[in-house]
Amino acid sequence: AQKVTQAQTEISVVEKEDVTLDCVYETRDTTYYLFWYKQPPSGELVFLIRRNSFDEQNEISGRYSWNFQKSTSSFNFTITASQVVDSAVYFCALSEPYDYKLSFGAGTTVTVRA
Amino acid sequence: GAVVSQHPSRVICKSGTSVKIECRSLDFQATTMFWYRQFPKQSLMLMATSNEGSKATYEQGVEKDKFLINHASLTLSTLTVTSAHPEDSSFYICSARVPQGEAAFFGQGTRLTVV
Repeated sequence: AQKVTQAQTEISVVEKEDVTLDCVYETRDTTYYLFWYKQPPSGELVFLIRRNSFDEQNEISGRYSWNFQKSTSSFNFTITASQVVDSAVYFCALSEPYDYKLSFGAGTTVTVRA
Repeated sequence: GAVVSQHPSRVICKSGTSVKIECRSLDFQATTMFWYRQFPKQSLMLMATSNEGSKATYEQGVEKDKFLINHASLTLSTLTVTSAHPEDSSFYICSARVPQGEAAFFGQGTRLTVV
């Protein structure tokens, strides 16, 4: 069975602070995909990143960065120099390869105050 | 990214009526689509996998007779909530698997309120 744990329910920061969202997963599969999605108040899910289990390289995209550590089954997400527009619920998710049937974590609500 | 369109975005219906939600892949063919449900301040839970040309596969605990799924073409899947009751009020969102693509892309979601 697959399980994704996002232990942080809510995080509140002041603009320009960095914020790191934790994600820990469990799976019996040796090959799997990990995802992060952003859900703003409007409700749609915005795809941020997909990581293959074979690729442990960290990734940076603008103010976003991801740290994948297979040894600890973690896929953490950092927003650098946060902005008010980053306020949203962020979900970490896991799927089998080529399946895209996602198991979501509980989500972390990020509030960035001006 | 690939575009998935969901309609309607918001619907209010009376208890006992049925509601149909459409999920379309606009710029690609999707042999597989997924339907999720999200209660307020909760995570997304997979309801069913919609397969083009065959019966949907439902997750444990999801009533197949209540949540009818039809995937009649490679670009359209529909979810019909039959005989809706207030406890069915939720946010329903679909996703489509992009062939050889990077991810599953999601529709905008449908907020269903049953009164």
